[in-house]
Amino acid sequence: ELKVEQNPLFLSMQEGKNYTIYCNYSTTSDRLYWYRQDPGKSLESLFVLLSNGAVKQEGRLMASLDTKARLSTLHITAAVHDLSATYFCAVGKTNFGNEKLTFGTGTRLTIIP
Amino acid sequence: EADIYQTPRYLVIGTGKKITLECSQTMGHDKMYWYQQDPGMELHLIHYSYGVNSTEKGDLSSESTVSRIRTEHFPLTLESARPSHTSQYLCASSELPGTYNEQFFGPGTRLTVL
Repeated sequence: ELKVEQNPLFLSMQEGKNYTIYCNYSTTSDRLYWYRQDPGKSLESLFVLLSNGAVKQEGRLMASLDTKARLSTLHITAAVHDLSATYFCAVGKTNFGNEKLTFGTGTRLTIIP
Repeated sequence: EADIYQTPRYLVIGTGKKITLECSQTMGHDKMYWYQQDPGMELHLIHYSYGVNSTEKGDLSSESTVSRIRTEHFPLTLESARPSHTSQYLCASSELPGTYNEQFFGPGTRLTVL
């Protein structure tokens, strides 16, 4: 059974600081996704990581994937208040050409001015 | 504009009532999904469909049922709502293999059963 763990579960950080959220998964994966969710809202897709060593950046967020270590990271650079949200990683496994996602527990990020 | 829609957004209902949560997408996606999410928790897949007349149960057991008669429409039904069904229900859709297969999510339905 595929298990996806994120840490930390809760993160409070000051504006301007850097931090990393970690996503570990228990079996081989086909793709790794990062989503953002604001309170009471739906999920917004941030990144899709397709292969080992993949790195994607958008603004102050950068995601990477190490399939050998079964680890993905979401790095936040010089955090700003607008980045406060819950971040989920999700692992995609394909079976007979159809992919299912297993989500991590989420990391609730609060940026303090 | 291509999008994914869910109605109602909020629903408060009494125990024993039958409810249907609607999900429609105008993105031409073949695959659609229903997830259940308790506040502050991870998402659990409860139903999915890879095309018309195809429905499968997800990883989390659910008393709800789904149907897929039209490509763009994937409603979820609870025959007799109970307080344990109180949760947020998120609908998603994605394209066929050969692309990123990224799932796009609707705004969600927040269900409260009294």
